Amino acid sequence: GENVEQHPSTLSVQEGDSAVIKCTYSDSASNYFPWYKQELGKRPQLIIDIRSNVGEKKDQRIAVTLNKTAKHFSLHITETQPEDSAVYFCAASRVGAAGNKLTFGGGTRVLVKP
Amino acid sequence: DAMVIQNPRYQVTQFGKPVTLSCSQTLNHNVMYWYQQKSSQAPKLLFHYYDKDFNNEADTPDNFQSRRPNTSFCFLDIRSPGLGDAAMYLCATSRARGVQETQYFGPGTRLLVL
Repeated sequence: GENVEQHPSTLSVQEGDSAVIKCTYSDSASNYFPWYKQELGKRPQLIIDIRSNVGEKKDQRIAVTLNKTAKHFSLHITETQPEDSAVYFCAASRVGAAGNKLTFGGGTRVLVKP
Repeated sequence: DAMVIQNPRYQVTQFGKPVTLSCSQTLNHNVMYWYQQKSSQAPKLLFHYYDKDFNNEADTPDNFQSRRPNTSFCFLDIRSPGLGDAAMYLCATSRARGVQETQYFGPGTRLLVL
């Protein structure tokens, strides 16, 4: 089955700096890669996703890059703000007849210091 | 607003006493998922329904069962909760299977086993 590794497990940045979280996946057939943000005690919320036919996607301060050859994808947050503090999960999915099963990485706890 | 609703938000049960968690959705999505999330860990898929088609994960214990009486509702039954079953249980939905569809999470039910 799919295995997703996520690094780092914790990340502390100064407000205004950039944050980068990296994930690798094992199943070369995976074709959908969402990123979720989860604040303490709340639901995971999708912040951005990328499909395997795209190398990069950007939404305001958030961007995701995908390298299918190397089987890794990264989340970039620029100009970090205190409200960006949360746990971020990457996930990979091999979308097909068997379903859209998400395999999550272990999570990165991001702390943005004012 | 269309959404994924979970009840109750907090559930306390006794060791070995059956408990049922519920999820409803107004998104009219075909697929409903149940995840277990333990503290500081990633969500782990237990099973999912595509319409009435039930798909169990290989490592989901028999202690966990699910029912989906109609499109809108899905239930998670824990037949004999153990202390290790204390966790956040997240319901999610997506529009279809076999395409790269976003999964939308409910707010979760936090289960405490005494």
